[in-house]
Amino acid sequence: KAGVTQTPRYLIKTRGQQVTLSCSPISGHRSVSWYQQTPGQGLQFLFEYFSETQRNKGNFPGRFSGRQFSNSRSEMNVSTLELGDSALYLCASSWTGPEEPQHFGDGTRLSIL
Amino acid sequence: QKEVEQNSGPLSVPEGAIASLNCTYSDRGSQSFFWYRQYSGKSPELIMSIYSNGDKEDGRFTAQLNKASQYVSLLIRDSQPSDSATYLCAVNKRLEKSTFGDGTTLTVKP
Repeated sequence: KAGVTQTPRYLIKTRGQQVTLSCSPISGHRSVSWYQQTPGQGLQFLFEYFSETQRNKGNFPGRFSGRQFSNSRSEMNVSTLELGDSALYLCASSWTGPEEPQHFGDGTRLSIL
Repeated sequence: QKEVEQNSGPLSVPEGAIASLNCTYSDRGSQSFFWYRQYSGKSPELIMSIYSNGDKEDGRFTAQLNKASQYVSLLIRDSQPSDSATYLCAVNKRLEKSTFGDGTTLTVKP
């Protein structure tokens, strides 16, 4: 069974640009969560989608947004990039919600110059 | 107070020893508890889940949960150098977000 697939693996952007990250969950998984991981802040929850609806949201500014498609694939968008957005962005999927074991993708490493 | 706190590391144990990792949480309504292992440069992978009070064993790993004390721990018996990683504790309530601790970095010395 294929795992969680995140694309791209690496991105380099400059301040002010916007970026879209993609996540394909394990087949059959309907819940997709996004996390930001930085050395200083650990793993921070961004949002969770289930059946195309945002069910939970973390404490991030409105520049961070996401969506989920009918096939459960999810995208995350960050607009007006700031230097502090440099991080590893991880996507995790589970059958019905993050209260179950989550399976993580390899992540997208975003660097802002 | 952080929602999920893990014992500060780094933790270093000799090969063959027992490594003990601890985690406390603040929300008494928490229902699901997980331990993830993250190797440097890799993404987290699930190693244990526990939902009810008591011990749960899987090979060399034992998770212990005490809801009254709001405490969950992970014991690694016969530690191996390949166990060297950062261990993340995650806590959940049904249909709510996962909250992760900052992690404890374990080094197992040959």
